[in-house]
Amino acid sequence: ETGVTQTPRHLVMGMTNKKSLKCEQHLGHNAMYWYKQSAKKPLELMFVYNFKEQTENNSVPSRFSPECPNSSHLFLHLHTLQPEDSALYLCASSDPQGRADTGELFFGEGSRLTVL
Amino acid sequence: GDSVTQMEGPVTLSEEAFLTINCTYTATGYPSLFWYVQYPGEGLQLLLKATKADDKGSNKGFEATYRKETTSFHLEKGSVQVSDSAVYFCALSGPPGSSASKIIFGSGTRLSIRP
Repeated sequence: ETGVTQTPRHLVMGMTNKKSLKCEQHLGHNAMYWYKQSAKKPLELMFVYNFKEQTENNSVPSRFSPECPNSSHLFLHLHTLQPEDSALYLCASSDPQGRADTGELFFGEGSRLTVL
Repeated sequence: GDSVTQMEGPVTLSEEAFLTINCTYTATGYPSLFWYVQYPGEGLQLLLKATKADDKGSNKGFEATYRKETTSFHLEKGSVQVSDSAVYFCALSGPPGSSASKIIFGSGTRLSIRP
C-alpha cells in the first residue's frame, strides 16, 4: 500500500454533476489536507483537518465540501462546479502533531479534474 | 506576509550539466526551508530541508544551503540526469510547532534534461 492514495485519478464532470474525490492514508497521521494545483500558480491550500476536525478553510467556495469521517479518510464533495475549477487536486497528510517544522507533508498522486 | 519566490521555468539542460534553481524568501522569525519535487504524474515529495541558518540540506545529489543574510535557499546539483526531469518547489514553514497549514510554496520550476 502506498502512503497516500487518491481516487479517482482522473474525473470529467459537467457543471451540474455531483461527484466526490477520495483520499486515504496508511501512515498513522492525524492531519490531512486538500490542495489545489493549477497551471502556473502556486499550490493553494484549501482545507486542513486535524484529528477529524476542520481547522482551516481558506475561503473556499461552498461548491467544494470536505468531509473527514476518520483520521485515515478525507473526501472532497463537488457540486455545480465551474470550468475554472479544473485542476489537479492533491491530498496530503502529516505527522500526528501536524507540525510544519518537519516540513514533511506526504502527498497523494492527485485527482485530475476537468469541468466541462 | 511570508512568501517564496523561485525562478520561473522551464529550465532545459543537457545531461551532466550543473543545475541551479534560485529561491528567495520573505518571512518573519526563523522559518524552516524545503525543496519538494514532483515527478510526472505524481504528487509532491520532500527532497530536502534545512531548519536553521547555515544548515545544508542534501539528498540524491541535490544540495541547498539556508542563507539568512541573503534570504535564499538555492537548489544545486553538480551533474543532472534525465531522471531529474520534474517540477521543483521551494517552500517555507513557520517556526517550530507551527501548524502545517503555514507551509508556503513557491510557484514551481519545471526542469527538463536532454539526453
